[in-house]
Amino acid sequence: GQNIDQPTEMTATEGAIVQINCTYQTSGFNGLFWYQQHAGEAPTFLSYNVLDGLEEKGRFSSFLSRSKGYSYLLLKELQMKDSASYLCAVRASNDYKLSFGAGTTVTVRA
Amino acid sequence: DGGITQSPKYLFRKEGQNVTLSCEQNLNHDAMYWYRQDPGQGLRLIYYSQIVNDFQKGDIAEGYSVSREKKESFPLTVTSAQKNPTAFYLCASSIFPPAGTGVLSFQETQYFGPGTRLLVL
Repeated sequence: GQNIDQPTEMTATEGAIVQINCTYQTSGFNGLFWYQQHAGEAPTFLSYNVLDGLEEKGRFSSFLSRSKGYSYLLLKELQMKDSASYLCAVRASNDYKLSFGAGTTVTVRA
Repeated sequence: DGGITQSPKYLFRKEGQNVTLSCEQNLNHDAMYWYRQDPGQGLRLIYYSQIVNDFQKGDIAEGYSVSREKKESFPLTVTSAQKNPTAFYLCASSIFPPAGTGVLSFQETQYFGPGTRLLVL
């Protein structure tokens, strides 16, 4: 099976920056998504990476290094509403499905 | 407004009972998916469907059944054979189904419904 690792929890202060890492050991790699999920709600799409480098989207950026099997999601100028779980999902080569990490719960404190 | 709806929000199942979770989308998406979410675990795929009248088992299909008679609808039945059904169930859809090979397409982005929480009485 595919192995997707993320830290379980992170805490940061309002206005700060937090970096959520995702490492994957998969049978090849075809692409990666990041999702945000507030407690009890549906995951919502944040970003999509297929090539190495940084994808920036407002306060959120996502980075990918395929040679290292590594991605991170960077959240800048943290706001209280950013308190949520962040899910990394990878599609391996020749696989029909996404493999999801267990998610990283980010708590933003005032 | 386009989107994915799931009902009910909460569902209670008695021992030996089958229950059906509804999922409807008006996004004109070809592919639909059912996931199960348990605390501390990643989303696990139960079933997915690429087109009408076709569906495939995911990683944890045992004790579940689905149908895809209409493009908009993909109901999930949790049967009495599923011995540990308590979980948060999420339905999703995407424009394109997973290609399996080649670079991940942006059209494979999955959009999720609000979820159904199933509890056992």
